[in-house]
Amino acid sequence: QSALTQPRSVSGSPGQSVTISCTGTSSDVGGYNYVSWYQQHPGKAPKLMIYDVNKRPSGVPDRFSGSKSGNTASLTISGLQAEDEADYYCCSYAGSYTFEVFGGGTKLTVL
Amino acid sequence: EVQLLESGGALVQPGGSLRLSCAASGFTFSGYAMSWVRQAPGKGLEWVSGITSDGRTSYADSVKGRFTISRDNSKNTVYLQMNSLRAEDTAVYYCAKCITGWQNQNWGQGTLVTVSS
Repeated sequence: QSALTQPRSVSGSPGQSVTISCTGTSSDVGGYNYVSWYQQHPGKAPKLMIYDVNKRPSGVPDRFSGSKSGNTASLTISGLQAEDEADYYCCSYAGSYTFEVFGGGTKLTVL
Repeated sequence: EVQLLESGGALVQPGGSLRLSCAASGFTFSGYAMSWVRQAPGKGLEWVSGITSDGRTSYADSVKGRFTISRDNSKNTVYLQMNSLRAEDTAVYYCAKCITGWQNQNWGQGTLVTVSS
C-alpha cells in the first residue's frame, strides 16, 4: 500500500480538463511544499511535470498545473491531448526519517 | 543536455550483492544531489536512496543497512551498492538528478535488477 493515495484511473476527452488528486497526511503532503508529479509512458522513464507543488520545469506545457490544499495535492491537465495518456505519480517529502513517498499512480486515459 | 546512464543491473541470487553505476554528463555533477528510484515489474515508483552534493546520504527503510549510495565527483558517477538482496528488490532502478530536495528533474533509462534463484 502506497503512502499517498491516488485514484487508480481517470479519463477525459481531447480538449477537456482532468484533475488527479493525491492525498497524504500532515507528515508529508500537508507538512511540506515539496510535492512533485511525474508522467510515465509505458516502457519509459518518468518525467518531472510539477515540483514544489506548483512549479513547472522548463519545457513542460502550461496545460499542466499543480496545487495543494491541506493534505491533498492535485494535478490538473487542461486541453487534454492524446499524448497526455500515461501514468501519473505524485510524490512528497515526508521528513528526515521517511524522506520521499510516492502515490500508487493514476492511469490517465484520453478517450 | 543532461544525460544519465545506468549500468550494472543483472540476475543475482537471493543474498547476493550488486553495484549499480550511473554516469552523468551535461551538467556540473558535483553541484547536485542525486537519487535512486526503483520500480518493480508492473508496480509504482519507490524512492530508494539519495546523496546530497556534499555527500550526505539518505535511505528508505526498506533498504537501510543493506544498500549504500556513494558518489565520485571526479568521475561524474553515482553508485548504489546493494547487499543481502531479496526477491522484493527486483525492479528497474533509475538514477535521477534532483532539482530541489529529492524531487527528480532528470532520469536515466533504468537498469533491471532481478533477484531470483
